[in-house]
Amino acid sequence: TQLLEQSPQFLSIQEGENLTVYCNSSSVFSSLQWYRQEPGEGPVLLVTVVTGGEVKKLKRLTFQFGDARKDSSLHITAAQPGDTGLYLCAADNYGQNFVFGPGTRLSVLP
Amino acid sequence: KAGVTQTPRYLIKTRGQQVTLSCSPISGHRSVSWYQQTPGQGLQFLFEYFSETQRNKGNFPGRFSGRQFSNSRSEMNVSTLELGDSALYLCATKPDVNNEQFFGPGTRLTVL
Repeated sequence: TQLLEQSPQFLSIQEGENLTVYCNSSSVFSSLQWYRQEPGEGPVLLVTVVTGGEVKKLKRLTFQFGDARKDSSLHITAAQPGDTGLYLCAADNYGQNFVFGPGTRLSVLP
Repeated sequence: KAGVTQTPRYLIKTRGQQVTLSCSPISGHRSVSWYQQTPGQGLQFLFEYFSETQRNKGNFPGRFSGRQFSNSRSEMNVSTLELGDSALYLCATKPDVNNEQFFGPGTRLTVL
């Protein structure tokens, strides 16, 4: 069974701070996705990364896919309370299914 | 374009009963996947349906089953409910052209 690990598990920061969360695996995946989930809702797709070494930016969010396509990071600059939520990474197991990490629960305090 | 809808949003059942959950995909999406989300195990893949056929399956017992209709709407059924089946059940749909999943709001199932 291919597993994804995410760190940290919990993160509580002040508004305006920067943060990075990580997603790691011992397996190689065809692509990796990041989602944000708010209480009582389903996850919302933020980005898909496909190529090793790829970097994508979405406003204050920067996503990176490792060269070996086994790990990824999400960096948030100047975090805002609206960034609060559960951040999930999900790896595409070559079209068979998506494997989700346990998530990083982020709380941004005003 | 309407999003993914799931019904009901909340459900309370007792052990031994069975339950059927429904998912209506975004128009044009033929793939529907089901996931179980619990605090202890996180998001776990149940199965995926495409054009009325089960295309992929996760590691869940046979009490968990599903089907898809010709209009791509999908249902999942859980028979002989156990306390451990209490969870948020999410469905996700995706277009044929890529793997971008769109999730519904989920059905919160509580088994007493």
